[in-house]
Amino acid sequence: TQLLEQSPQFLSIQEGENLTVYCNSSSVFSSLQWYRQEPGEGPVLLVTVVTGGEVKKLKRLTFQFGDARKDSSLHITAAQPGDTGLYLCWKGGGNKLTFGTGTQLKVEL
Amino acid sequence: DTAVSQTPKYLVTQMGNDKSIKCEQNLGHDTMYWYKQDSKKFLKIMFSYNNKELIINETVPNRFSPKSPDKAHLNLHINSLELGDSAVYFCASSQEKRTGNGEQFFGPGTRLTVL
Repeated sequence: TQLLEQSPQFLSIQEGENLTVYCNSSSVFSSLQWYRQEPGEGPVLLVTVVTGGEVKKLKRLTFQFGDARKDSSLHITAAQPGDTGLYLCWKGGGNKLTFGTGTQLKVEL
Repeated sequence: DTAVSQTPKYLVTQMGNDKSIKCEQNLGHDTMYWYKQDSKKFLKIMFSYNNKELIINETVPNRFSPKSPDKAHLNLHINSLELGDSAVYFCASSQEKRTGNGEQFFGPGTRLTVL
């Protein structure tokens, strides 16, 4: 049983477009992290959110933690080819540590 | 300096063989992990060690045995390899002790192919 569902699973867009990726769970997170994985490499941390309703910005990326701490979203403004990669959310805390199902993003020129 | 290193990068072997993957971190972290990433890119945690002590042991066949000689190393030994073991295996480390709230630093991965 997947504890962390991400949507969409795949996303192919043109440079300059905006997009949003979602991470949902039936259980509460104590914290949530977003990672990006590029081909042939391990995931790299983008952000950690811990407070319900928290919003964090990282240049063109905006991360939001749901008020109930059961979901999160990642919004990218004006996507660039360098944003291409696999985006993974990670549920920390508790006894079931897990990554989400992943969103494969491709940004084309 | 490479923070988390894994060897080998690629491993091709026959079914039934026994193989090991080594992982070393020079970050001084207390916690290390092994993950398996399948062809659908799902990254599944296998084991977690904190200061040489096994913390997390997910539902993984007994053929997989982690070994931590010291807190900077976490090796993965696999016995009697099967076709379904083909995947990319990632090692990671974190300063966070047990809760999984800390940043994880990943190695470059080991692509295992079982023929």
